[in-house]
Amino acid sequence: GQNIDQPTEMTATEGAIVQINCTYQTSGFNGLFWYQQHAGEAPTFLSYNVLDGLEEKGRFSSFLSRSKGYSYLLLKELQMKDSASYLCAVRDRIQAGTALIFGKGTTLSVSS
Amino acid sequence: KAGVTQTPRYLIKTRGQQVTLSCSPISGHRSVSWYQQTPGQGLQFLFEYFSETQRNKGNFPGRFSGRQFSNSRSEMNVSTLELGDSALYLCASSLDVDTGELFFGEGSRLTVL
Repeated sequence: GQNIDQPTEMTATEGAIVQINCTYQTSGFNGLFWYQQHAGEAPTFLSYNVLDGLEEKGRFSSFLSRSKGYSYLLLKELQMKDSASYLCAVRDRIQAGTALIFGKGTTLSVSS
Repeated sequence: KAGVTQTPRYLIKTRGQQVTLSCSPISGHRSVSWYQQTPGQGLQFLFEYFSETQRNKGNFPGRFSGRQFSNSRSEMNVSTLELGDSALYLCASSLDVDTGELFFGEGSRLTVL
């Protein structure tokens, strides 16, 4: 079966760096995604890792270790608008194809 | 380019009724997935459609069904509604299956009384 774990809540201050961890167990790994979801809004895509290593995109970076079943999302120079839920999702084998399986999300609160 | 459009955005039903939700994917996207989001369980996969065929189904009872039309638009139906079906139902589209990111709509918030 599938299992994706990430912390429920995190807090940080403006300008700081925060790392959100995600561990997973899957049957047929085919990529790891991070999404951001502000309250009352749709999830929006942040990053995608399919090979081991670090992917950097502006203030956001994502790391993947397939052998450890581990990923993290790194947010630098935090801003108030980064307060949101961050969802780790793994594309995994489901029946005849694949689907994105989501963790329950990490609610990040950024304070001034 | 227009995003994923879901209708209705909000609806209230009573136990035992049925509901149909609609999703129009991004133009050119052929795969549509549906997710249920609740505070306790997070985002849970319902099903995925591609070329009018259901490719995958999550662990939900048969009361949950869906279909996809030739223009890639999709509908999902929940029959014999239960209180626990109250949730945000999110539709997501992607260019193809098994690859790439999902683009989500704003969702349809269903309240069952």
